[in-house]
Amino acid sequence: EAGVAQSPRYKIIEKRQSVAFWCNPISGHATLYWYQQILGQGPKLLIQFQNNGVVDDSQLPKDRFSAERLKGVDSTLKIQPAKLEDSAVYLCASSLSRRDTEAFFGQGTRLTVV
Amino acid sequence: QKEVEQDPGPLSVPEGAIVSLNCTYSNSAFQYFMWYRQYSRKGPELLMYTYSSGNKEDGRFTAQVDKSSKYISLFIRDSQPSDSATYLCAMRYSGGGADGLTFGKGTHLIIQP
Repeated sequence: EAGVAQSPRYKIIEKRQSVAFWCNPISGHATLYWYQQILGQGPKLLIQFQNNGVVDDSQLPKDRFSAERLKGVDSTLKIQPAKLEDSAVYLCASSLSRRDTEAFFGQGTRLTVV
Repeated sequence: QKEVEQDPGPLSVPEGAIVSLNCTYSNSAFQYFMWYRQYSRKGPELLMYTYSSGNKEDGRFTAQVDKSSKYISLFIRDSQPSDSATYLCAMRYSGGGADGLTFGKGTHLIIQP
């Protein structure tokens, strides 16, 4: 079974630029999450999708972050404009359903904002 | 006060030792308790989960939840150098609303050969 795929693995941008991350969850997984992990911290949930609908985006900084999952499969997370404090690893995770306890994580995209 | 507190370490022990990792939490609505292992530059992987209180054992790993004290533990027996990683505790609510995990900071564990 293929795991959660994320790209790119690394990205360096200047502040005020925009950036987008892509996630392909495990086939058949209806629930998709984006987490932000700042160095030395645990992952923090940004947004949760159930199929192509948003379940929770209460911690997403909506003035600069956006995410979509148009066909209920792949997802993109965008930051525009980026700030220095957005430097972090952005992790995508998926699970079979909302009731499924196990979420599978991708390797993440490491973003550095300079 | 953060919802989930976890000592970041590092915790360094010799190979073969018993390791004890712990988290405390403040929100009594948490019902599912997990332990994730994260190797450097990798995503977290689920080790164990427990629903509500009690113990769960899987090979060398034992997870304990004490809801009355809002305290969870992970024990690793016969620790191996390959167990060196960051261990994250995570929690979520039961049913309804959002299902995302609330993580601790993670404890960096080093097993010395």
